[in-house]
Amino acid sequence: GEEVAQTPKHLVRGEGQKAKLYCAPIKGHSYVFWYQQVLKNEFKFLISFQNENVFDETGMPKERFSAKCLPNSPCSLEIQATKLEDSAVYFCASRYGTSYSTDTQYFGPGTRLTVL
Amino acid sequence: GESVGLHLPTLSVQEGDNSIINCAYSNSASDYFIWYKQESGKGPQFIIDIRSNMDKRQGQRVTVLLNKTVKHLSLQIAATQPGDSAVYFCAENMNSGYSTLTFGKGTMLLVSP
Repeated sequence: GEEVAQTPKHLVRGEGQKAKLYCAPIKGHSYVFWYQQVLKNEFKFLISFQNENVFDETGMPKERFSAKCLPNSPCSLEIQATKLEDSAVYFCASRYGTSYSTDTQYFGPGTRLTVL
Repeated sequence: GESVGLHLPTLSVQEGDNSIINCAYSNSASDYFIWYKQESGKGPQFIIDIRSNMDKRQGQRVTVLLNKTVKHLSLQIAATQPGDSAVYFCAENMNSGYSTLTFGKGTMLLVSP
C-alpha cells in the first residue's frame, strides 16, 4: 500500500499478558523500524529490519520483547508478560532503502498499548 | 505519589504569523535531518528534510535552516494556519548504514484564529 498500516489501533492488556502488534510497510520499502513513544514525548528506537533480517536491535529490551518480519506477512512486535511501563504508543516506520536520496522514514498511525 | 506530566516547550502564535521552531541536535556526525509534524492521535508526518551539505531548504510554506557549527536546526512556517497546530519533532540520522533516526524533544505549536 501507499501508507504504513498498523493494527490494532488500541490494545489493552492486563499486567503479565502477552501483546502482539502488527505493521505492514509501504509496498516496495525494504526497511522497517519500530519506535516506542511514551506520553507523547520522545521516540525510543526499538529495532529495525532490512527485509526479513534484523538490521539493528540495539534498542530492544532483551527479555520480553521480540520482533519479526517474515516474507509475505505483516511485521510483528511481541511483548511477553507486559508490564505497566510498557504502556505507550508503538510506531512502525518504513523506508525504501539506504541510498542517499531515500532516507526518509514514513510512519504508521501507531498502536496504543495500555497495560492495566 | 509524584504525578508525571507532559512538559513540552510550547509556541503560541496567531493565525497568519510566521512561526519558528528550534531544535538542537546531538551528534556532530549526523548528516541528514528531518522535521516531522505529529497531530494528536496520529503518527509523525514528514514535513521537510535537509542534508548536511546544505544550510537552507524551502518547501511549501516551510523552510528548514541548518547551522552545523552550533548543531542547530530550525523550522520556519510562513503564514501559520490553525491546521498547523501540532507537536513538531526534529530528527537526525547518520548515513553510514546505521539508519536509525534520533528524535529531539518535541515542540507544541498552538495557532489561534
